[in-house]
Amino acid sequence: DGGITQSPKYLFRKEGQNVTLSCEQNLNHDAMYWYRQDPGQGLRLIYYSQIVNDFQKGDIAEGYSVSREKKESFPLTVTSAQKNPTAFYLCASTGHVNTEAFFGQGTRLTVV
Amino acid sequence: QKEVEQNSGPLSVPEGAIASLNCTYSDRGSQSFFWYRQYSGKSPELIMSIYSNGDKEDGRFTAQLNKASQYVSLLIRDSQPSDSATYLCAVTGGTGANNLFFGTGTRLTVIP
Repeated sequence: DGGITQSPKYLFRKEGQNVTLSCEQNLNHDAMYWYRQDPGQGLRLIYYSQIVNDFQKGDIAEGYSVSREKKESFPLTVTSAQKNPTAFYLCASTGHVNTEAFFGQGTRLTVV
Repeated sequence: QKEVEQNSGPLSVPEGAIASLNCTYSDRGSQSFFWYRQYSGKSPELIMSIYSNGDKEDGRFTAQLNKASQYVSLLIRDSQPSDSATYLCAVTGGTGANNLFFGTGTRLTVIP
C-alpha cells in the first residue's frame, strides 16, 4: 500500500539533545512538508521541499533542520536550539501540482 | 494577512442538524481547495476536494466554492456525534515557492 510512514510514533527527548524524526513516502511524490501542531492549535509549517536536494524554511524553522537526499525521505532534526519542542509533528507530501496532501500518522515529541 | 482563514469555533450543533464550516483565502491564483477532518491526537484525513465554482456533494458532505468571493465552505448534513472533530481548510495554487496553505481549523462538536 502506498502511503507516508512516520517514526517513531512517540519520542522522548532530554534537555540539550538532538532528535531526528523519520518520514518516508512511497507515493513517488515530489513535494514533502513538516508541520508542528500544538494542543488546540492549527498546523504550522517548519520546512518544505519540492525536489530532491532542495528545501526551504517555513514559518517556524528556527531550531529545526532537514535534509532531502532521496525523493522518498525527508527527515526532521529537532536540535537543542529549539527551546520548546514538545508538540505533535506531522509530515505530508503532495504529488502533482495542486493536488491534495497526504499525511503520515504523526510523531508526538515530549521533552523529559 | 493569513493566506487561509477559518473561524476557530468551537461550533456546536445538535445531532441531525446541518453544520456549516467556512473558509476564506487571500490568493486569487489559488487552484484547488480541500477539507480535512482531524480527530484529536490523529493526523488529518481528506474528506472533500473541490476545484471549480459551485457545489460538490459526497454523501452527507457538500463543499461549496465561490472563487469571486474567495470563499469555500463545507456543509455536513444530518450531523452525527462521530463528526465531532477539527476541520481544516487547505488551499493550493498561487505564485509563491510554497503553494500549500492550511487554515487553523474549526472545532466542531455534535451534541447527541
